[in-house]
Amino acid sequence: KNEVEQSPQNLTAQEGEFITINCSYSVGISALHWLQQHPGGGIVSLFMLSSGKKKHGRLIATINIQEKHSSLHITASHPRDSAVYICAAPLPNTGNQFYFGTGTSLTVIP
Amino acid sequence: DSGVTQTPKHLITATGQRVTLRCSPRSGDLSVYWYQQSLDQGLQFLIQYYNGEERAKGNILERFSAQQFPDLHSELNLSSLELGDSALYFCASSVAGDSYNEQFFGPGTRLTVL
Repeated sequence: KNEVEQSPQNLTAQEGEFITINCSYSVGISALHWLQQHPGGGIVSLFMLSSGKKKHGRLIATINIQEKHSSLHITASHPRDSAVYICAAPLPNTGNQFYFGTGTSLTVIP
Repeated sequence: DSGVTQTPKHLITATGQRVTLRCSPRSGDLSVYWYQQSLDQGLQFLIQYYNGEERAKGNILERFSAQQFPDLHSELNLSSLELGDSALYFCASSVAGDSYNEQFFGPGTRLTVL
């Protein structure tokens, strides 16, 4: 069983739609990261969350530590948002060892 | 551009060989992380260094080793290469060594073992 689970695995949306990607984890964590991987392979860090909510442009990330759940929202989606979105967390009692979700592949159609 | 550089971008080699991947962190970042991304395994954490010292270790094979030098650049050495080692290898850097810091990723090195 993967300690960090993401859903959905694949997502297709029309341009302009509101998108939600979910990440849940099975153990207590201190922080969670959201990453974006472009079709060319490059990885960009979007957010690091330890509580509450963060916003950057059209991207919003939330985390509920008690419920062991985080969401990434994209408002007014655009084809350039097409990428794989990955959540990652350092699991407790592992030093700083990161575990990754399996990723959500997002395609936004014009 | 994240400010993290990795060389080489592509590497093609044969089974049994040894290769070295290099990573230069962003200016001012003390921590370097190494990750492997293969088609069937997704992203996996290999190892982290902070200011020259090993900070955390993931599922890194004994055939693999890494180090961080006084100028903070890091090298990942892969030896006795097998076909299954073919993957994208990323390094990332952050200011500090804990999990509360954003990581900045390099462009990756694509290793192909034939």
